[in-house]
Amino acid sequence: DAKTTQPTSMDCAEGRAANLPCNHSTISGNEYVYWYRQIHSQGPQYIIHGLKNNETNEMASLIITEDRKSSTLILPHATLRDTAVYYCIVTASKLTFGTGTRLQVTL
Amino acid sequence: NAGVTQTPKFQVLKTGQSMTLQCAQDMNHEYMSWYRQDPGMGLRLIHYSVGAGITDQGEVPNGYNVSRSTTEDFPLRLLSAAPSQTSVYFCASTTLGWGNGYTFGSGTRLTVV
Repeated sequence: DAKTTQPTSMDCAEGRAANLPCNHSTISGNEYVYWYRQIHSQGPQYIIHGLKNNETNEMASLIITEDRKSSTLILPHATLRDTAVYYCIVTASKLTFGTGTRLQVTL
Repeated sequence: NAGVTQTPKFQVLKTGQSMTLQCAQDMNHEYMSWYRQDPGMGLRLIHYSVGAGITDQGEVPNGYNVSRSTTEDFPLRLLSAAPSQTSVYFCASTTLGWGNGYTFGSGTRLTVV
């Protein structure tokens, strides 16, 4: 599985867009980009995934660069309940979790 | 749908005791897996299964056994608990195939004293 690099922590004001970056320069052609989040000590929650194209669902948008070496998860209007650790995972099979980005949403 | 159900939610064991962590899913998912999460760290894969009767080791399998007799259930057995196994354990499931999201349980917090 490709290695990913994420910032350790980020802050975002409530109501603003949260843009979480992820570098995955060694990604292979058959590997997907997944995003999960973990709120406090709960089980991880699936957010979104993509292969090549940008994706959007009710939770977030995923922007993947044309060379697929990096991606950005966008939470369009962050709320306090979006405070969590966000994991970017690149894989063609099993999920391997790093330490993720701790997003703190503030008033 | 209940999703992925883990029991118990909390457990304290003495060193050397054995126990089974239960995981059940009602989504007819073929793939099930167990992770452990130590404080301040990401999740690490212990064992996984791609279907009934098929299991395989993950990143940190030592000290744990699994079996998969049904599609729904994937229990994790601790053979002889050690303090190093103090952790939060998560079970997850998904359908096989490309690009499917995993559903995680709410976790079992295990303390070995």
